[in-house]
Amino acid sequence: EDKVVQSPLSLVVHEGDTVTLNCSYEVTNFRSLLWYKQEKKAPTFLFMLTSSGIEKKSGRLSSILDKKELFSILNITATQTGDSAVYLCAVGGLGDYKLSFGAGTTVTVRA
Amino acid sequence: ETGVTQTPRHLVMGMTNKKSLKCEQHLGHNAMYWYKQSAKKPLELMFVYSLEERVENNSVPSRFSPECPNSSHLFLHLHTLQPEDSALYLCASSPFLSRAKEAFFGQGTRLTVV
Repeated sequence: EDKVVQSPLSLVVHEGDTVTLNCSYEVTNFRSLLWYKQEKKAPTFLFMLTSSGIEKKSGRLSSILDKKELFSILNITATQTGDSAVYLCAVGGLGDYKLSFGAGTTVTVRA
Repeated sequence: ETGVTQTPRHLVMGMTNKKSLKCEQHLGHNAMYWYKQSAKKPLELMFVYSLEERVENNSVPSRFSPECPNSSHLFLHLHTLQPEDSALYLCASSPFLSRAKEAFFGQGTRLTVV
């Protein structure tokens, strides 16, 4: 059975801090790893990673995948209160439409 | 707004009630999905439709019954639910089944079963 574990479960930081979120996985026939941001209700797509060692960046967010050690990290630098959300990691394995999600990391950024 | 609209946003129902959740997208997507998100648990894929045909039924109890009358609309019919079915139900759509990773999610329906 596919397994996706995110850590920490939650964290509280102050504006300007840097946060690092972790996602480890065990999945059959790994295809890709995705990060989503869930504010209020609808998850919104952040990154898709398929290759090891290649950093993806979008503004203050960046992510990298290690296919040997089976994990990914999501970094947020110079955090703002608008970064407060649940960050979800999902892994696509056997069957393109089957995404296995982690339980998420709740990030709270205090002013 | 992601282009995927779910109604109602909140629903409280008794265990003997029958209700339906609705999902609508006008993105021209051919694949639609129902997910369940319980508190502090991972999203669980419930049903997948591609071109109005169901392609996945993830051992979901029969008290949940999906319907996809056309590629723009997806329903989840609910009857005789249990309190443990209380959760956020998320609908998503993607251009094709093979592009599930590009899914857009709706805002969800927060369901409470009393």
